[in-house]
Amino acid sequence: ETGVTQTPRHLVMGMTNKKSLKCEQHLGHNAMYWYKQSAKKPLELMFVYSLEERVENNSVPSRFSPECPNSSHLFLHLHTLQPEDSALYLCASSRDNLNEKLFFGSGTQLSVL
Amino acid sequence: SQQGEEDPQALSIQEGENATMNCSYKTSINNLQWYRQNSGRGLVHLILIRSNEREKHSGRLRVTLDTSKKSSSLLITASRAADTASYFCATDTSSASKIIFGSGTRLSIRP
Repeated sequence: ETGVTQTPRHLVMGMTNKKSLKCEQHLGHNAMYWYKQSAKKPLELMFVYSLEERVENNSVPSRFSPECPNSSHLFLHLHTLQPEDSALYLCASSRDNLNEKLFFGSGTQLSVL
Repeated sequence: SQQGEEDPQALSIQEGENATMNCSYKTSINNLQWYRQNSGRGLVHLILIRSNEREKHSGRLRVTLDTSKKSSSLLITASRAADTASYFCATDTSSASKIIFGSGTRLSIRP
């Protein structure tokens, strides 16, 4: 609906697993974002990419590794996560990196056991 | 660090009534946005107001911005059951390339 598609919608993983979250936007936007939404906490900005270059890394632990192979795709690689990393991970895109309107995907609900 | 903070945290009103949510922020901004989120879904952009604007309308939505008080309000008129959702304000930080969200107001519309 918004032009931003996230897969999978739900993911359950053990602490030793490696998994990846995928985001794709069909809007021709140049900036893409990862946000983390935990229960009863504000959305936390994790990473910002502009024209495939990382322009923001908001003190995120190294067990989260982003990848932006082109302006339409964004990945979040997960490795040796902790139970407190369980959250809704939201991808967003915008026309450019000038703090304007964000278009969000539906998110991936992640549970770490 | 958190930039925007919504008030109240939760609001329950009767269908047909107006709903008002407030947002306060700490540092200078270029613009302020309001978003809506249905449970377990992504956020949907509602409206953007720039720092040189005082009021903006979109359908049943009215947003005000008071930069002297560092606050904004979102008014939803003639509420409907479908307006039940969480509403977030989001501000840019003027000096950095990021949009920061508040904790949100959970709005429930009683039929």
